[in-house]
This record gives sequence, C-alpha cells and structure tokens, in this order.
Amino acid sequence: NAGVTQTPKFRILKIGQSMTLQCTQDMNHNYMYWYRQDPGMGLKLIYYSVGAGITDKGEVPNGYNVSRSTTEDFPLRLELAAPSQTSVYFCASSYAETQYFGPGTRLLVL
Amino acid sequence: EDQVTQSPEALRLQEGESSSLNCSYTVSGLRGLFWYRQDPGKGPEFLFTLYSAGEEKEKERLKATLTKKESFLHITAPKPEDSATYLCAVQFGSGYNKLIFGAGTRLAVHP
Repeated sequence: NAGVTQTPKFRILKIGQSMTLQCTQDMNHNYMYWYRQDPGMGLKLIYYSVGAGITDKGEVPNGYNVSRSTTEDFPLRLELAAPSQTSVYFCASSYAETQYFGPGTRLLVL
Repeated sequence: EDQVTQSPEALRLQEGESSSLNCSYTVSGLRGLFWYRQDPGKGPEFLFTLYSAGEEKEKERLKATLTKKESFLHITAPKPEDSATYLCAVQFGSGYNKLIFGAGTRLAVHP
C-alpha cells in the first residue's frame, strides 16, 4: 500500500513551457486535492475533486488545470509556466475529513 | 475573514524542555481541527483531529487540545527526533472537505 505517490520529485521549467504533475493514490479515496506550498506560507488549495469526472477550483486555480478520469489518478497541468508558479506542489486524498499527502513535487520556473 | 494563525513561527528547545505550540482560528462553523507534522522535503503527515471544544488527543510526547478559539500542541520532554514543522489546519462550513492551513511552527530540539 503505497498511499499517495507523486512524480516527478523535482523539475526545472523555462518560462512558457508546460508540464503535467502526476498524482496517484491506491487507497480508493473519492476526494483528491492539489496544494501549493510557498516558503513561510500555509498550503493553498489549487483544485480538488470529489470523484472521477468531477473537479472544482480551490483558492488559487489560475494557471492550472486538472482532470480526473479515474479514482486513482489526479494530474495537475501547468500551461505557460511563470516564475510565480515556482513552489512545492502536494497532492492529497481523503475518504472523509482526514487528508493524506504525497511526498511533493518541487518545481522551479526560470 | 477565515484564517488560521500559528505561533511562534519558530521554536528552539533543549531536549527534555516541554513547551506548547499555538493555533488560533477565526472561522464560522468549525467541523474539525487537524495537526500535521512535516519533515524537510516531505509531505505533511497526519497527527490528530479534534472536533469540539474540550477535546484532547495524545500520541507519545504530543498532546493536542481544543478550545472555541484555539488549539495547543503540547510537547512533553521532547527529543531531537521531534524536530519538524508542525502544521495546523481547520475544516469549516458545509460542502467539500476544504482545509485552511496555518503557516506552521518550525520546531528544533537540540540534545
């Protein structure tokens, strides 16, 4: 039981490039979430999903897109990367209230 | 405005020196307050959930308490391995399981 896994662990992007951050969970959780964590700040919710085919915006969705075609996977797409998207990205999943987090993806946009 | 504030930002303790971390919140309709531990370069690890004022939860050297306005994470006789950032988050209102996180307290325990 791996829990929540994320790939890649680290990536450097040039301004304007695009990429997809992968997130997979093997706990059969309906709820999945994407957060970003900036130094000295709390985690901010980007997007969330309550089940396959259902997604909605969180607090800071601009510049990102998501899809949820299966229960297990919840990829986060960055289009036209900007320096402001330099951050650490965490994926989480939950069955009820308690969220379980992946190890994170560190993204640097130069 | 709904918000969560943690204090202090950083705390340095000697091994065995007990202390408390604070999490204050201003939200309507609290559904739960969560404590997480985060080690450098890793994702948050769930510690506790508290649902109502007066509730307490314990795990090894950690004890979390909740009032109507704040929560405390008490650390008794800490060890160097307790060094981490401790995050507080609150869930409130109706609908999906939205969490608002505080910025965290960085704890360093020195031998």
